[in-house]
Amino acid sequence: SYELTQPPSVSVSPGQTARITCSGDALPKKYAYWYQQKSGQAPVLVIYEDSKRPSGIPERFSGSSSGTMATLTISGAQVEDEADYYCYSTDSSGNHRGVFGGGTKLTVL
Amino acid sequence: QVQLVQSGAEVKKPGASVKVSCKASGYTFTSYGISWVRQAPGQGLEWMGWISAYNGNTNYAQKLQGRVTMTTDTSTSTAYMELRSLRSDDTAVYYCTREHLFDYWGQGTLVTVSS
Repeated sequence: SYELTQPPSVSVSPGQTARITCSGDALPKKYAYWYQQKSGQAPVLVIYEDSKRPSGIPERFSGSSSGTMATLTISGAQVEDEADYYCYSTDSSGNHRGVFGGGTKLTVL
Repeated sequence: QVQLVQSGAEVKKPGASVKVSCKASGYTFTSYGISWVRQAPGQGLEWMGWISAYNGNTNYAQKLQGRVTMTTDTSTSTAYMELRSLRSDDTAVYYCTREHLFDYWGQGTLVTVSS
C-alpha cells in the first residue's frame, strides 16, 4: 500500500526556520496537504494543494513540492508552533485512497 | 459558520459494532464529501474512507474493507460511520472532516473497545 514518509521529529530554536519533509512516490502527480495537531485537539489545515495557505494561517507557514518530496516550512518558528504535523495525499493507482504520513513532532525551544 | 458536530464517546466489547454520527451545518451539505479519520492513542492519523454527500459514492481504506460502512442522511445533513467486528486495536478517536481540503473537522469521538 502507498506510504508517505516523514521524519519523526524536528527541533529548532524560536525564530529559526523549521523544515518538515514528506516523501512519496505519487507526489509528482498528487497534491500534498499539511495539518497541524496540538495535544488533545483536532487537526488544523495549514497548507493545501502543495503551497496554498488557508485564510487565518500565519504567513510564516509555507509549502513546496518537488519530485517525490513535499516540504512544509515554518519561517521564524514560534513557541506556539510546537505541535505534530502530518502530510496527506492520495495514491495514484486510480483508487484515490488517502494516506497520512506518520507525523513529525516539532519542538521549538 | 461551518460546524461538524459528532456524537458522544462509546465503549464497546470486542466483536460489537459502533456507529458514529457527524452533523454538518453552515454550508450546503451535498456540495462536499465527508472523510473519516481515526487516531489511536499516542499514534498518528489514519484515513478510513470517504463518502460523497451528493450521491453516496464511497471509497474505503483497503484494511477496513468489509468492516466499515459510511452513509449520509441529506435530510438532516448528517454523515455516519459504522465499524463492525470491533477489536481492541480499533480503540481510537474518530474524526469526520469535510472534503476535499479537510478544512473543517468534528471534535472527535472516542471509541473504546474493551472486554
